[in-house]
Amino acid sequence: ELKVEQNPLFLSMQEGKNYTIYCNYSTTSDRLYWYRQDPGKSLESLFVLLSNGAVKQEGRLMASLDTKARLSTLHITAAVHDLSATYFCAVVVRRTSGSRLTFGEGTQLTVNP
Amino acid sequence: ETGVTQSPTHLIKTRGQQVTLRCSSQSGHNTVSWYQQALGQGPQFIFQYYREEENGRGNFPPRFSGLQFPNYSSELNVNALELDDSALYLCASSLQDSPYSGNTIYFGEGSWLTVV
Repeated sequence: ELKVEQNPLFLSMQEGKNYTIYCNYSTTSDRLYWYRQDPGKSLESLFVLLSNGAVKQEGRLMASLDTKARLSTLHITAAVHDLSATYFCAVVVRRTSGSRLTFGEGTQLTVNP
Repeated sequence: ETGVTQSPTHLIKTRGQQVTLRCSSQSGHNTVSWYQQALGQGPQFIFQYYREEENGRGNFPPRFSGLQFPNYSSELNVNALELDDSALYLCASSLQDSPYSGNTIYFGEGSWLTVV
């Protein structure tokens, strides 16, 4: 059974600081998504990583994928309060019956002024 | 705005009752997936429908069932509600195999179900 683990689960950081969220998964996959969720809201797609070594950046967020290590990272640069949210990684496993997302537990990020 | 609409947005049911949640997929999308998100956890895959047929199922009991209609909208039905069924239920609209192909998957705003 595919397991997806994120760490840390809770992250409190100061504005202006850098930090990295890690996403480890237990089976071979070369497809990984990152989502953001604000309290009481649905999921907002941030990044789709489709191959080993993929790196994508949007604003203060950068995501990468290492399929050999079964690891993805979400790096936050110079955090601002607006980045406070819960971040999920989701791994795709392709099956004969179609593909589905398996999510991690989420990392709750709080950026303090 | 993802074009995926879910209803109702909030509802309260009593243990043992039945509930139906609805999802209208984005225009042109032929696949609908349902996820359950308990408080403080990541979403868990319930099942997927493609062209009106169930196309994959997660670890959920048979009292969780669904339908997809010719217009690709979908329903999630839960019978014999239990307290642990209290969660946010998310509908995801996509083309077939979008998760693997990297095509955008659109999530609705969800239906909050509370079982008392």
